[in-house]
Amino acid sequence: DTGVSQDPRHKITKRGQNVTFRCDPISEHNRLYWYRQTLGQGPEFLTYFQNEAQLEKSRLLSDRFSAERPKGSFSTLEIQRTEQGDSAMYLCASSFQDEQFFGPGTRLTVL
Amino acid sequence: QKEVEQDPGPLSVPEGAIVSLNCTYSNSAFQYFMWYRQYSRKGPELLMYTYSSGNKEDGRFTAQVDKSSKYISLFIRDSQPSDSATYLCAMRDSWGKLQFGAGTQVVVTP
Repeated sequence: DTGVSQDPRHKITKRGQNVTFRCDPISEHNRLYWYRQTLGQGPEFLTYFQNEAQLEKSRLLSDRFSAERPKGSFSTLEIQRTEQGDSAMYLCASSFQDEQFFGPGTRLTVL
Repeated sequence: QKEVEQDPGPLSVPEGAIVSLNCTYSNSAFQYFMWYRQYSRKGPELLMYTYSSGNKEDGRFTAQVDKSSKYISLFIRDSQPSDSATYLCAMRDSWGKLQFGAGTQVVVTP
């Protein structure tokens, strides 16, 4: 399978714990995006990398959130001190030019 | 006011009917227009991608863009029960990030 992959697919955690998600983009896609989707809403942009450089961050991305793409390949999204409001589907997408292809998402539940 | 407005539905149609979906937007900076299909608890799947005003057809799907009215549409001909899903419109700005509508839930009944 050469599509975007995300790990884990599901994560249940207790409030206050830290969690980390991984995204592996389509090979040779230089752009990587993170989005968050809550029930009944469309995905909302969080942040964007071109190669290893993080070029834009949404104001939705509080200081508890950090994302990295150290070698311009896979990316990680970490949430520190999780809150119940962080419960959502976290989606990763990659692109080479204009079309963005999404992974299956990581569903986070914060108890 | 949201930058992208999309009726959440649900939209229920009988099998074989034409499904008509639309979105309006307010930001003239949007340059690219996409439609994604999302099944429950899955990631969005790219269906159609357009740049200019006009029509684009791909099999049973037709996408229309009217930049002067800031209005885009997706038509699905000969709808099938397997088309039951949530359809998301998305608009891309010059930086590349997508702005999505809330999604329209479509149910095609046999």
